[in-house]
Amino acid sequence: AQSVTQPDIHITVSEGASLELRCNYSYGATPYLFWYVQSPGQGLQLLLKYFSGDTLVQGIKGFEAEFKRSQSSFNLRKPSVHWSDAAEYFCAVGGVGTDKLIFGTGTRLQVFP
Amino acid sequence: GAVVSQHPSWVICKSGTSVKIECRSLDFQATTMFWYRQFPKQSLMLMATSNEGSKATYEQGVEKDKFLINHASLTLSTLTVTSAHPEDSSFYICSARTTGENTEAFFGQGTRLTVV
Repeated sequence: AQSVTQPDIHITVSEGASLELRCNYSYGATPYLFWYVQSPGQGLQLLLKYFSGDTLVQGIKGFEAEFKRSQSSFNLRKPSVHWSDAAEYFCAVGGVGTDKLIFGTGTRLQVFP
Repeated sequence: GAVVSQHPSWVICKSGTSVKIECRSLDFQATTMFWYRQFPKQSLMLMATSNEGSKATYEQGVEKDKFLINHASLTLSTLTVTSAHPEDSSFYICSARTTGENTEAFFGQGTRLTVV
């Protein structure tokens, strides 16, 4: 079955601290992987994506993610969190030849000053 | 990135009425558009995929007669919630993409529907 698991429903960090959001996927074919961010009442903004090549991908707003095929993971990281990073983060998986994206349940990030 | 505009941002309607939500790609031709539904504090659930000029493909469990999708042009898709009921209240989000490999989907800002 195709699925995305984000084990952490809610994470709280202090501003300036490092961040890692976990994402594990189950997909029967070569996966395309995405991280999106959603502010309250808003649509989704793409942070970064992995299609192929270098397994460490850089995104916007200082985020990066590493694709680890052996662990079926695509964790999102940021070395120093800013208060404006507080939002909901979604990991998603799709595949070659398919338009569908399967989303995880999301991780809500709260940032304390 | 490309811009997808969704209208309205929020709407309140009475039970039994129909509501139309528009999704427009402003600066690119969207051969494929997707409609998602998001319940509070939950993830996005794909409702249907529409390709310009053809009938939408609905996901299992989504009533096609209740959620009418039209994708009449390369820049516009509409979702009509017919005979709305309070349980249809939700956040609806569209996304759009072009053809080709490795193309990403761009998301609209969403529509908050409240049925009273």
